[in-house]
Amino acid sequence: NAGVTQTPKFQVLKTGQSMTLQCAQDMNHEYMSWYRQDPGMGLRLIHYSVGAGITDQGEVPNGYNVSRSTTEDFPLRLLSAAPSQTSVYFCASSYGPQSIYGYTFGSGTRLTVV
Amino acid sequence: GENVEQHPSTLSVQEGDSAVIKCTYSDSASNYFPWYKQELGKRPQLIIDIRSNVGEKKDQRIAVTLNKTAKHFSLHITETQPEDSAVYFCAASIENNDMRFGAGTRLTVKP
Repeated sequence: NAGVTQTPKFQVLKTGQSMTLQCAQDMNHEYMSWYRQDPGMGLRLIHYSVGAGITDQGEVPNGYNVSRSTTEDFPLRLLSAAPSQTSVYFCASSYGPQSIYGYTFGSGTRLTVV
Repeated sequence: GENVEQHPSTLSVQEGDSAVIKCTYSDSASNYFPWYKQELGKRPQLIIDIRSNVGEKKDQRIAVTLNKTAKHFSLHITETQPEDSAVYFCAASIENNDMRFGAGTRLTVKP
């Protein structure tokens, strides 16, 4: 039981490049979400999904796309990287947004855009 | 959408003292309030939560209180220990909706 697996752990991009951050969970969780963590700003929600085929925007969705073709996978795509997207990205999954078990977070991806 | 404010941003206490972190939320429809602890270099983990139908919940040295009228909730840690040093995040969510987090409080417990 691996929990939530995020890859890569570290990434450096040049401005304008695109890339996909991978997130996979093996707990049969319906709910998955992406957050970015910046100093002094906590965890800000980018996109979330309540199940396969359903996605919705969070509070900072601009510059990011997501899809949810399977229950297990929830990739985050950066369309054209900008220095403002330098951050630590966390994927999280749960049985629901108010599950008594809480969110299971991945180990994070530290992204630097130069 | 929901907006969660958290204070203080940093908190330093002596081992054995109590620590209190406070959060306010904007949407009166929010009904679920978890707290997460993030140790240095690690992922956040749920430590306690409270729902809007109760005013207080306790788990050993940790307690959370909720004031729905004032739209604020607090985390209380008693008899603090060095291993309590971490960043603590409060969050709020509306039924079956996304979760919004506060900016975090860095707690340092000095031996």
